[in-house]
Amino acid sequence: NAGVTQTPKFRVLKTGQSMTLLCAQDMNHEYMYWYRQDPGMGLRLIHYSVGEGTTAKGEVPDGYNVSRLKKQNFLLGLESAAPSQTSVYFCASSFHTDTQYFGPGTRLTVL
Amino acid sequence: QQQVKQSPQSLIVQKGGISIINCAYENTAFDYFPWYQQFPGKGPALLIAIRPDVSEKKEGRFTISFNKSAKQFSLHIMDSQPGDSATYFCAASARSGSARQLTFGSGTQLTVLP
Repeated sequence: NAGVTQTPKFRVLKTGQSMTLLCAQDMNHEYMYWYRQDPGMGLRLIHYSVGEGTTAKGEVPDGYNVSRLKKQNFLLGLESAAPSQTSVYFCASSFHTDTQYFGPGTRLTVL
Repeated sequence: QQQVKQSPQSLIVQKGGISIINCAYENTAFDYFPWYQQFPGKGPALLIAIRPDVSEKKEGRFTISFNKSAKQFSLHIMDSQPGDSATYFCAASARSGSARQLTFGSGTQLTVLP
């Protein structure tokens, strides 16, 4: 039981490049979330999903897109990366709506 | 707009001492208040949580105190240990349709000196 895993762990992009972050969970959770963590700002919700095939915007969705084609996977895409998107990205999942289980994070640097 | 305000930003405590972290919220619709613990290079992990129908919840050395009228809640770590050194986040959430979004505080970096 791996819990929540994230790929890749680290990535460096140039401004304007695109990339996709992959989140996978093996707990059969319905809900999945993408957060970004910046110094002094806690974690802020980017997008979330309440089930396969559904997505919704969180607090800071601009510049990101997501897809939930399979229940166990939640993808976060950056179409044209900007330096302001330099951050640590965390994926989380939950069975219903309370306890969220977090992955180990992806550290992204945009030059 | 920061809906959950957390203080202090950093805290240094001697081994065996009491660590206290405070949070205040504005949204009266919040009905679930978890605390997360994060070690360097790791994702946050749920430590303890409370609902507003109780004023206190204790799990081992960790206690949440909740004051609904003041819209404040705090985490107390008794007999603090060096292994407790981590960043602590308070959070709050309210149900919105079928979802529940967590709003996090800005975090407190706790250092427990041996």
